Amino acid sequence: GESVGLHLPTLSVQEGDNSIINCAYSNSASDYFIWYKQESGKGPQFIIDIRSNMDKRQGQRVTVLLNKTVKHLSLQIAATQPGDSAVYFCAEKVMYSGGGADGLTFGKGTHLIIQP
Amino acid sequence: DADVTQTPRNRITKTGKRIMLECSQTKGHDRMYWYRQDPGLGLRLIYYSFDVKDINKGEISDGYSVSRQAQAKFSLSLESAIPNQTALYFCATSSRGGGNTIYFGEGSWLTVV
Repeated sequence: GESVGLHLPTLSVQEGDNSIINCAYSNSASDYFIWYKQESGKGPQFIIDIRSNMDKRQGQRVTVLLNKTVKHLSLQIAATQPGDSAVYFCAEKVMYSGGGADGLTFGKGTHLIIQP
Repeated sequence: DADVTQTPRNRITKTGKRIMLECSQTKGHDRMYWYRQDPGLGLRLIYYSFDVKDINKGEISDGYSVSRQAQAKFSLSLESAIPNQTALYFCATSSRGGGNTIYFGEGSWLTVV
């Protein structure tokens, strides 16, 4: 199975509320994580990243929290807006077998639905 | 203009036909990738290339081949398409340094009938 997974496939929140999307990872050696947003009909877009030497990183209306003890990553979106409706993916840096180099592996995604 | 451009954006093809998806990028990145997206399965890596002379298989390379024609161009081919290759395909790029942000194209919908 995948080393990166999301707890809920769908999350429904009221407009204006805060959203929290969770992600678990299995490789305790992972040192870099990214959150992507994918709107309908578009490719995934980078939102925010965090390295393992940090517990928290903030962007514009978004915050990523990293708990290395329980290998858990979360994305918090403040004051959720209709434009936040999308599928959100977490991604984990991994070593590609045979390639001798690293890249990213992605979780299955959480669909965030904004209720008016 | 998009930094990562995929063509075609949509294609319907018949079983057994050869189909090529093309990707070009203007970001100047060394690394290019092809991913496949199926509902409920997230993004799965098909092939990746870290420079023009470097091609590597990803998680699900069977039934696919790639060509890195230039630093900016990376094409994906299905030599004999089958219906379970119906999916959304994404080309992506990243800079050297591994694990850095991967930038995606808009995707190519492929339907094999």
